[in-house]
Amino acid sequence: EAGVVQSPRYKIIEKKQPVAFWCNPISGHNTLYWYRQNLGQGPELLIRYENEEAVDDSQLPKDRFSAERLKGVDSTLKIQPAELGDSAVYLCASSSDKGASAETQYFGPGTRLLVL
Amino acid sequence: AQSVTQPDIHITVSEGASLELRCNYSYGATPYLFWYVQSPGQGLQLLLKYFSGDTLVQGIKGFEAEFKRSQSSFNLRKPSVHWSDAAEFFCAVGKANTGGFKTIFGAGTRLFVKA
Repeated sequence: EAGVVQSPRYKIIEKKQPVAFWCNPISGHNTLYWYRQNLGQGPELLIRYENEEAVDDSQLPKDRFSAERLKGVDSTLKIQPAELGDSAVYLCASSSDKGASAETQYFGPGTRLLVL
Repeated sequence: AQSVTQPDIHITVSEGASLELRCNYSYGATPYLFWYVQSPGQGLQLLLKYFSGDTLVQGIKGFEAEFKRSQSSFNLRKPSVHWSDAAEFFCAVGKANTGGFKTIFGAGTRLFVKA
């Protein structure tokens, strides 16, 4: 079974430029998460989707961040414009909504963003 | 509010020695508890989880953790560390609410293994 796929793995951009990250969750997983992990910190939730619906976006900086999950499968996270403080690893995770598996998240390798 | 504290930013142990990573949580009810491991350049991998039942939980790669309600702790242990265990370890607490399941991660403990 393929895991969570993310691309690109690395991205270097100049501040004020836009950037987008893509995530393909594990097949059949209805719940998709985007996390930001700053250096030396644990992941912090940005947004959670149940199918196509964003059910928790309270931590998403909506002035510059946006996300979508069309058709309830793949998801894209966008930053426009990027700021120096956005440099971090952006992790995507997915989970099943079936019973005890609902609470276990499977993580992708992340996209490491460096804003210069 | 929920919170997770990992008191040790980093720990160094010798290969073959035992390991204990500390985790304390703050939560009003019995939480869901997790330990994840992150190798360099990789995403997080679940080591083990506790939802209910036996307070000593066995995980992958020879790791185990014990839930102690009286101490609000969920410490991770391994009797004999291998060099390949060097990584960053994250404790997490989760809860189900009307908006779904939410997980809060600790800041992590980086494990160094010396030969």
